[in-house]
Amino acid sequence: KNQVEQSPQSLIILEGKNCTLQCNYTVSPFSNLRWYKQDTGRGPVSLTIMTFSENTKSNGRYTATLDADTKQSSLHITASQLSDSASYICVVSEFGGSYIPTFGRGTSLIVHP
Amino acid sequence: DGGITQSPKYLFRKEGQNVTLSCEQNLNHDAMYWYRQDPGQGLRLIYYSQIVNDFQKGDIAEGYSVSREKKESFPLTVTSAQKNPTAFYLCASSIGQTYNEQFFGPGTRLTVL
Repeated sequence: KNQVEQSPQSLIILEGKNCTLQCNYTVSPFSNLRWYKQDTGRGPVSLTIMTFSENTKSNGRYTATLDADTKQSSLHITASQLSDSASYICVVSEFGGSYIPTFGRGTSLIVHP
Repeated sequence: DGGITQSPKYLFRKEGQNVTLSCEQNLNHDAMYWYRQDPGQGLRLIYYSQIVNDFQKGDIAEGYSVSREKKESFPLTVTSAQKNPTAFYLCASSIGQTYNEQFFGPGTRLTVL
């Protein structure tokens, strides 16, 4: 069964600090991996999408990495801001599979001033 | 503006009543999805539709029903058979099978009184 595991479950950091969120998956064969940001009470919004051949993808202060060999991804947030407080969800899709991707449970990030 | 909309944002219902959540998209996407989100849990798939007049059950379809009479619309009915309906409901759409990045609506929070 395809699975996506995220760690840590929650994280508290001070404004201006960096942090890294982790995602491990068992989805195979792999098609793509996306990181979403979900503000409280809102729908998820896509941050990055990476395919098999991509190792790194940046979106402003967000940088995602992918190691397809170890089936791991990370999301690095640089110089955190209060607006980064949200849940970050890792989503992995299977190549040639159904329309349905596999969702992680998310990491809840709180940025304190 | 292109996008996906859900209404209402908040919904209250008495036990034993059916209620319908609206989801509309003007992205010309073929596929549409309904997810349920509970605190501390990942998104769980209720129903999905790949094409008009066709839909499939997801992981937690019991107590829910859907219709797909138009490409733009995918309403979800929460029936009285759903034992624990209080949750945050998210609708999403995607282009189709070959490129399945999902775009999410803002969500509907349903509370059963």
